[in-house]
Amino acid sequence: KAGVTQTPRYLIKTRGQQVTLSCSPISGHRSVSWYQQTPGQGLQFLFEYFSETQRNKGNFPGRFSGRQFSNSRSEMNVSTLELGDSALYLCASSWTIGVGRANVLTFGAGSRLTVL
Amino acid sequence: DQQVKQNSPSLSVQEGRISILNCDYTNSMFDYFLWYKKYPAEGPTFLISISSIKDKNEDGRFTVFLNKSAKHLSLHIVPSQPGDSAVYFCAASASSSNTGKLIFGQGTTLQVKP
Repeated sequence: KAGVTQTPRYLIKTRGQQVTLSCSPISGHRSVSWYQQTPGQGLQFLFEYFSETQRNKGNFPGRFSGRQFSNSRSEMNVSTLELGDSALYLCASSWTIGVGRANVLTFGAGSRLTVL
Repeated sequence: DQQVKQNSPSLSVQEGRISILNCDYTNSMFDYFLWYKKYPAEGPTFLISISSIKDKNEDGRFTVFLNKSAKHLSLHIVPSQPGDSAVYFCAASASSSNTGKLIFGQGTTLQVKP
């Protein structure tokens, strides 16, 4: 079956602009999470959506937002872009989570954002 | 506050030898630990996981060891192959929190030399 699809793969923006990234999870997966990867910082958790509801949010400013649609597809938006927002943004999906289970996320290839 | 730490940014080993990647954590609520591998221009891919009720889990050439008292886990790759050259991330989760959130370390870049 198809994996996690992220679009666009690469994009360049200038400071002050906004950007919207899209993620299509694996068919049947209801949980979608977003992570930011920057050199030396690993993967920083942005937010998680399950059944169109934001279930968890990381320590990012309000300029970072997201949503999930009824078909589980998700988008994240970054407004008023700053140079420090340049990063690889990764989307991951999982079927569900549960107490006593390892949450194995399947990641997309990411969207590489460069802010000039 | 970095709850999951990989203190070695890079590791270089010879093909055929053992690679040992280390990871430390601070949160006692973590009960599942995972290792992911990432190649350039690709997303991380799941390698192996371990529950806190175990101290070892094996899958082919990959073995993960967990020392709960030391809050330390390690990934052993034996024998190492050039195709194993990638960035390795350890991650932790607290399943009782009922969220899908994983906490990742900063990553260790493994280079396996032919």
